Amino acid sequence: QKEVEQNSGPLSVPEGAIASLNCTYSDRGSQSFFWYRQYSGKSPELIMFIYSNGDKEDGRFTAQLNKASQYVSLLIRDSQPSDSATYLCAVRFSGGYNKLIFGAGTRLAVHP
Amino acid sequence: EAGVTQFPSHSVIEKGQTVTLRCDPISGHDNLYWYRRVMGKEIKFLLHFVKESKQDESGMPNNRFLAERTGGTYSTLKVQPAELEDSGVYFCASSQEGQGLNTGELFFGEGSRLTVL
Repeated sequence: QKEVEQNSGPLSVPEGAIASLNCTYSDRGSQSFFWYRQYSGKSPELIMFIYSNGDKEDGRFTAQLNKASQYVSLLIRDSQPSDSATYLCAVRFSGGYNKLIFGAGTRLAVHP
Repeated sequence: EAGVTQFPSHSVIEKGQTVTLRCDPISGHDNLYWYRRVMGKEIKFLLHFVKESKQDESGMPNNRFLAERTGGTYSTLKVQPAELEDSGVYFCASSQEGQGLNTGELFFGEGSRLTVL
């Protein structure tokens, strides 16, 4: 079983729509959850982190966490072509010092 | 402020040769991580330094990989001898110490792409 699982996509949405990216994780004791965005050939960059159940909003981005279901998601409102990238879900597992465990990423394509 | 820098950006070597990758973390960041992404797969953890000490090296694939961080500043990752399956992108990341559960953001370099022929 993969530790952090994401749909590889590509997820294709029209400009202005809501993009919904999902992630499940295997370690029930995990405390911290991160969404990174990676443009092709570039380094991953953090866009959101969340550690409490519920929603966390930052601009056009909303992270949602449900620890009981071991599920975390990222919503991107008013999607723009510049949002086209690979979105990586990362989880800090319990007992794992500070390392993050990454999913394989979901490729998002926003078309005009 | 300079970000995490990695060198070389791309290395092409033959099977059996040696390659050394270098990472310069953000100044003042005690935590330094090495990750690797093999094509089509997830970014996988290799190891974690706190200053010059190896905190966790559970992700190192085998003893052909050697990481060092002398003096707690830059780090090197040596692969000797390289095998075909070592091809991939090697990412370095750094973070500040003691960020707790709520943050712990990792700042990534742009990666070193290794191609073993």
